Amino acid sequence: GENVEQHPSTLSVQEGDSAVIKCTYSDSASNYFPWYKQELGKRPQLIIDIRSNVGEKKDQRIAVTLNKTAKHFSLHITETQPEDSAVYFCAASKGTGRRALTFGSGTRLQVQP
Amino acid sequence: DSGVTQTPKHLITATGQRVTLRCSPRSGDLSVYWYQQSLDQGLQFLIQYYNGEERAKGNILERFSAQQFPDLHSELNLSSLELGVSALYFCASSVEFGGLAGSEQYFGPGTRLTVT
Repeated sequence: GENVEQHPSTLSVQEGDSAVIKCTYSDSASNYFPWYKQELGKRPQLIIDIRSNVGEKKDQRIAVTLNKTAKHFSLHITETQPEDSAVYFCAASKGTGRRALTFGSGTRLQVQP
Repeated sequence: DSGVTQTPKHLITATGQRVTLRCSPRSGDLSVYWYQQSLDQGLQFLIQYYNGEERAKGNILERFSAQQFPDLHSELNLSSLELGVSALYFCASSVEFGGLAGSEQYFGPGTRLTVT
């Protein structure tokens, strides 16, 4: 089945700096890659997603890039703010058959004011 | 607020007992997924229902079961509970029309299950 690896497990940045989180996936049939933000004790919240027919997608300070050949995708957060502090999860799924998400292990992002 | 609701918020029970977790999807969403989140296993897919029918199974224990009712709400039944199943249980819903691309999944607030 699908396997998603996520790095780093923890990331500490200064407010205003950029943060990058990277994921790799194993199943070349996966074609949907969402990113979720989870604050302590809260639900995972979808923040951005990308499909395999697109190489990059941006939403204000957040962007995601996808390299299908290398089977990896990344989350970029620019001008980080203390409220960006949370655990971020990448995930992958296929468009047909099983569409359940396979999650990475998460990255704890700490933005220091 | 994602529009997905889950009850109860917290559940404390003893080993060997049986519990039922409930999920109501967003209006218009036909698909419900159940996920388990534990410290050592992360977020793991348990089971999916689409318009009342089981669509896919993940790492769900045999003594766990689920169903989706005609009004599209779903219930996850956990029986013969052991300490190791203490975790956060989330359901997520999505529209899932046809087509090749995945559909966005929106998570409910979760049920925290503690088995003592």
